Amino acid sequence: QVQVVQSGAEVKKPGSSVRLSCKSSAGTYALSWVRQAPGQGLEWMGGIFPIFGTTKYAQKFQGRVTISADESTNTAFMELSNLRSEDTAVYYCARGTSYAEFDYWGQGTLVTVSS
Amino acid sequence: DVVLTQSPLSLPVTLGQPASISCKSSQSLVYSDGNTYLNWFQQRPGQSPRRLIYRVSNRDSGVPDRFSGSGSGTDFTLKISTVEAEDVGVYYCMQGSHWPYTFGQGAKLEIK
Repeated sequence: QVQVVQSGAEVKKPGSSVRLSCKSSAGTYALSWVRQAPGQGLEWMGGIFPIFGTTKYAQKFQGRVTISADESTNTAFMELSNLRSEDTAVYYCARGTSYAEFDYWGQGTLVTVSS
Repeated sequence: DVVLTQSPLSLPVTLGQPASISCKSSQSLVYSDGNTYLNWFQQRPGQSPRRLIYRVSNRDSGVPDRFSGSGSGTDFTLKISTVEAEDVGVYYCMQGSHWPYTFGQGAKLEIK
């Protein structure tokens, strides 16, 4: 059974950064980060393919987001900097056999940005 | 960016009746490898999204066979042959053929 387990909720001040984690079962896969603002739809932010060491980012988040991975612990990280209130959202981690295949999703992490 | 337009956005359906959601893309989703990376996701209230269909018409393991996907190029459809109570939620199409990957706005299915 594939598992994707994300870190817990965060409350951050505007201008600060947040680093989320996503731990999955061992295997060859890509991990993507998708966010969902309150009452809104889904938005792909970027992803990483740890075994190949490649990353992809949506241009909207370029310069503000960094996705990395620790293969030894099967954990991926997503750091979002210069937070603003519009970044308040649930952030999901999704795993797939390629960047475009979101087979398994984590439970989501709520990030609240508020002064 | 590729724009995916879903319709209808609200879908009141009687139990046992069929339902259909359209997803139209602003450009062809045929990738250079010949595959079409158009997926469908279901998000039940309070839950994470769950993939139902990948590459247009392939049903994921454990997905009831009342769900089916079809289409090609720029026009795609998700069909539910007979709606059940557990199908309530929001359905999203998503394309993985062009960077950045994009989702449709979501179509909310409710029981009439």
